[in-house]
Formats: sequence, structure tokens, C-alpha cells
Amino acid sequence: GQQLNQSPQSMFIQEGEDVSMNCTSSSIFNTWLWYKQDPGEGPVLLIALYKAGELTSNGRLTAQFGITRKDSFLNISASIPSDVGIYFCAGQGGSEKLVFGKGTKLTVNP
Amino acid sequence: NAGVTQTPKFQVLKTGQSMTLQCAQDMNHNSMYWYRQDPGMGLRLIYYSASEGTTDKGEVPNGYNVSRLNKREFSLRLESAAPSQTSVYFCASSEGLVPFKNIQYFGAGTRLSVL
Repeated sequence: GQQLNQSPQSMFIQEGEDVSMNCTSSSIFNTWLWYKQDPGEGPVLLIALYKAGELTSNGRLTAQFGITRKDSFLNISASIPSDVGIYFCAGQGGSEKLVFGKGTKLTVNP
Repeated sequence: NAGVTQTPKFQVLKTGQSMTLQCAQDMNHNSMYWYRQDPGMGLRLIYYSASEGTTDKGEVPNGYNVSRLNKREFSLRLESAAPSQTSVYFCASSEGLVPFKNIQYFGAGTRLSVL
């Protein structure tokens, strides 16, 4: 089956810093999704990507669908305290179901 | 806009007890899912229902059963709870399984402790 590797597992940054995280897969994907989970809540969709090379922004967040179709990146610019949470990537290829990475836990120090 | 509603929000069980977690969506979605979330393990798929009338096993189905009661509702049952089933359970729904329809929307979760 499909497998995702999400890194880093956790990040501790200062408010105002930029953040970068990524996911890689063992097989080719045709969908990459990025979710954020606030403490005590369910994941919420941030960005959806469906085309290799696609670069999409949502406010201070930017995500890219890698050219090889085996990876995706999420960048957060000028982090603020409310960016705290767990960020999940999710990918899907062929006739497989959506699979989720293990998450990147982000802590922002004011 | 309720989206995906899960009940209960919290539950404590004793080993061997049974219970059913309820999930309902109001987005007219065809597909529904149950996940469990454990520290450092991400979201692991327990069961899913591609459409009304069908259910399939996910990555970690042992110890669980599901029922797709109708298009709106998808329940998860623990017949004989074990401490290893202590977790946070999330229900999700999507229009379908294919690209552009596969965005999953999640409920707020059920926090289950089995003593």
C-alpha cells in the first residue's frame, strides 16, 4: 500500500519565523491535501493540490505539489501564536484511498 | 452548518464493556470514514464506507464493527472494549473517493478511555 513520510515530527520556533515541512511518498500521487488540527479539535483542510508542479497559497500558507508527484511541501510565513497545532499531509494515488502522514507538531513561542 | 457531528465527545469504559460511537453528516456526502488518533501515530483508518450500503476494512479494523445506517449516519461499535482501544476517534466524510471529490471533512472527535 501507499506510505507517507512526513517531516519533521515536531518544530519549536519563535513568533515571526518562517516554517517549512514536507511529505514524501513511496509511489506517485494525484492528490495532496494539507490539514491543520488545533488542540482538542478535528483536522481542518488548509490547501488541496491536484496537479504536479501546482503552487497554491492560502494567506500566509503556501503548498506545492512536487514535480515528481512523490512529494509535497507546506510553508508558513511570519508565524504567529495561533499557528500552533498539528499539520497533516494526505495523499492519494490511482485507485487507492487517501492516506495521512503522521503529522508535524508546531509550537510557536511568543 | 453542522458538518460532521460526533457523539459522545468523551467516554470512559471498563474493559469488556461495549459501546457505539455515533457519526452524522449533513453535507449529502457519499463516503464516510472512522479513524483513530494515537500520539505519534497520526490518523489510522479503521473502517470506511464508500457509499450507502457498503463498508470496508481499513488499516486497523480488529476489535471494531461499523454500520452505515443510511446516507447520513455511520456508527462505530466496540463489542468488548480493551485498554488498547483508548484513543481519540474521528469520523470524516467526503463526496466520494476520487480526486476532486476526496476532500475529507472531520468531526470534533470522541475521546475514549478504557480502564
